Amino acid sequence: DQQVKQNSPSLSVQEGRISILNCDYTNSMFDYFLWYKKYPAEGPTFLISISSIKDKNEDGRFTVFLNKSAKHLSLHIVPSQPGDSAVYFCAASGGGTGNQFYFGTGTSLTVIP
Amino acid sequence: NAGVTQTPKFRVLKTGQSMTLLCAQDMNHEYMYWYRQDPGMGLRLIHYSVGEGTTAKGEVPDGYNVSRLKKQNFLLGLESAAPSQTSVYFCASSYSGPVNYNEQFFGPGTRLTVL
Repeated sequence: DQQVKQNSPSLSVQEGRISILNCDYTNSMFDYFLWYKKYPAEGPTFLISISSIKDKNEDGRFTVFLNKSAKHLSLHIVPSQPGDSAVYFCAASGGGTGNQFYFGTGTSLTVIP
Repeated sequence: NAGVTQTPKFRVLKTGQSMTLLCAQDMNHEYMYWYRQDPGMGLRLIHYSVGEGTTAKGEVPDGYNVSRLKKQNFLLGLESAAPSQTSVYFCASSYSGPVNYNEQFFGPGTRLTVL
């Protein structure tokens, strides 16, 4: 059973506009959430994280928002750039999951110049 | 710093053959992980290790074995490959575990095809 879900397989955005990628989770024990970015033929690279004690974390153009009551997190990229075109995975861990991270299925972002 | 490296990058096997995938990290990380990525499935954890000489099962361990004889290396073995094991395999490492809010660093992946 998928504990972390990314319901949008793909997203297209114009350069300079905002990209919003969404992620939902089912396990209320999760307390640490991460976003990874993956280019073709490469491994995922860490982008940004947030712990459950916060509802927002910002790093440059990237902001992650966490809504614990809705079990939902989102990644905002502002402004979007063509180099942001990649697959984005969200991941979660915590509580009874021990040392495991659970990953979503990914959203492929295309930023159109 | 090479980070996390994986050997080989590509491999084609016939059903029933065996092989070992090697993962090496030079960051002195305690934790190491093996994932597989399949279309529409995201990354799924196969096995992981929290330190030299230790291993544990992840989400999808069947058909795989692992060993962590040295801290910097984590080996993934397929004893008798099956077409269902066709996938892209990623190794990852982290300084500590998720409970300490540590992110994972990934290798470039190994694309395995089982005919």
